[in-house]
Amino acid sequence: KQEVTQIPAALSVPEGENLVLNCSFTDSAIYNLQWFRQDPGKGLTSLLLIQSSQREQTSGRLNASLDKSSGRSTLYIAASQPGDSATYLCAVPTGANSKLTFGKGITLSVRP
Amino acid sequence: NAGVTQTPKFQVLKTGQSMTLQCAQDMNHNSMYWYRQDPGMGLRLIYYSASEGTTDKGEVPNGYNVSRLNKREFSLRLESAAPSQTSVYFCASSEVRHEQYFGPGTRLTVT
Repeated sequence: KQEVTQIPAALSVPEGENLVLNCSFTDSAIYNLQWFRQDPGKGLTSLLLIQSSQREQTSGRLNASLDKSSGRSTLYIAASQPGDSATYLCAVPTGANSKLTFGKGITLSVRP
Repeated sequence: NAGVTQTPKFQVLKTGQSMTLQCAQDMNHNSMYWYRQDPGMGLRLIYYSASEGTTDKGEVPNGYNVSRLNKREFSLRLESAAPSQTSVYFCASSEVRHEQYFGPGTRLTVT
């Protein structure tokens, strides 16, 4: 059974810091990995989808990497801002129908 | 282009009452999903529909039924609500092997 782990559960950093959020998964037979952002009381917003054939995917100040063989993905946030404060979740598809298995998320707080 | 919409946004039920959560998407996706999100448990799949006319159980299907009404709409029904079904419910849609897009959620409290 696929398990997705995100450690630590919470992170607090000062504004301007570059930071890395980690995601690990137990079954490396995945075809993509998706990173989401969730603001308090809101739904999930897709940030990046990285295909298994890619090693990196970039969107603005965000960069996601994927290493299938080691079962790891990282989300790099450059020059963090208070507006980046949110919970970040990673998810991998399980089975043939893109059913997602989620990590429990990392709650990020960026202090002004 | 509204993406994925869900109704209602909030609902309070008494134990034993029934209700249907509605979900619609306008992205012409074949696959749709229902998840629940609970503190400490994360997001878990309840049911999914790989294509119009098909539905399958996910990780936590007990106490729920679903209907894929057409390609756009996928509803989740609680026949006899229980306090353990207090949760936030999210609908999502995608094409296979592509990004999943989520709705804003329904916050359900069962007393």
